[in-house]
Amino acid sequence: DGGITQSPKYLFRKEGQNVTLSCEQNLNHDAMYWYRQDPGQGLRLIYYSQIVNDFQKGDIAEGYSVSREKKESFPLTVTSAQKNPTAFYLCASSDVVDTEAFFGQGTRLTVV
Amino acid sequence: QKEVEQNSGPLSVPEGAIASLNCTYSDRGSQSFFWYRQYSGKSPELIMSIYSNGDKEDGRFTAQLNKASQYVSLLIRDSQPSDSATYLCAVKGTGRRALTFGSGTRLQVQP
Repeated sequence: DGGITQSPKYLFRKEGQNVTLSCEQNLNHDAMYWYRQDPGQGLRLIYYSQIVNDFQKGDIAEGYSVSREKKESFPLTVTSAQKNPTAFYLCASSDVVDTEAFFGQGTRLTVV
Repeated sequence: QKEVEQNSGPLSVPEGAIASLNCTYSDRGSQSFFWYRQYSGKSPELIMSIYSNGDKEDGRFTAQLNKASQYVSLLIRDSQPSDSATYLCAVKGTGRRALTFGSGTRLQVQP
């Protein structure tokens, strides 16, 4: 079954903690993306990667970090520098940057 | 001015009617346009893509693109209660290698 898998589905973070959200795809896509969605809002781009070992900041990269060591994997770390991390995080991938992007099921992060 | 604008709704239509969802974008050089459907609490699902001026039909869905007016729309014929969701317009602009999303239009189909 081809697709994009995000884990965990729900994540709780204490103040001052770093947490890492997992994103794995078996679609053989080159490009991968992280978006954040707040209630009633659209998606805002955090980071994206077009190729292994390369990634670029999106519109709201502050307080986040990523790595792209394997084509299949693009984990997102939410650091303690992100002051308002409670949101729905969505990972997506596409074949080449001009074609359709497909999403994982999302991770809902809550600060407790 | 937002890069991709949508009316937040809700847009309410009776079952069986045509729902018309609209989106405008600011980057005149944009080449790729997408419509996603998002049910509450779920991730977006791609339903249509369009790259050329005109209409593109897929089942009950028709996407319409007018690059001169910087306008893209989605028509849903024979609307069903299961179509009730938020519809996100996404655009790939020039010099940007990721999609920019509008804030979405919430559609309610009344039985």
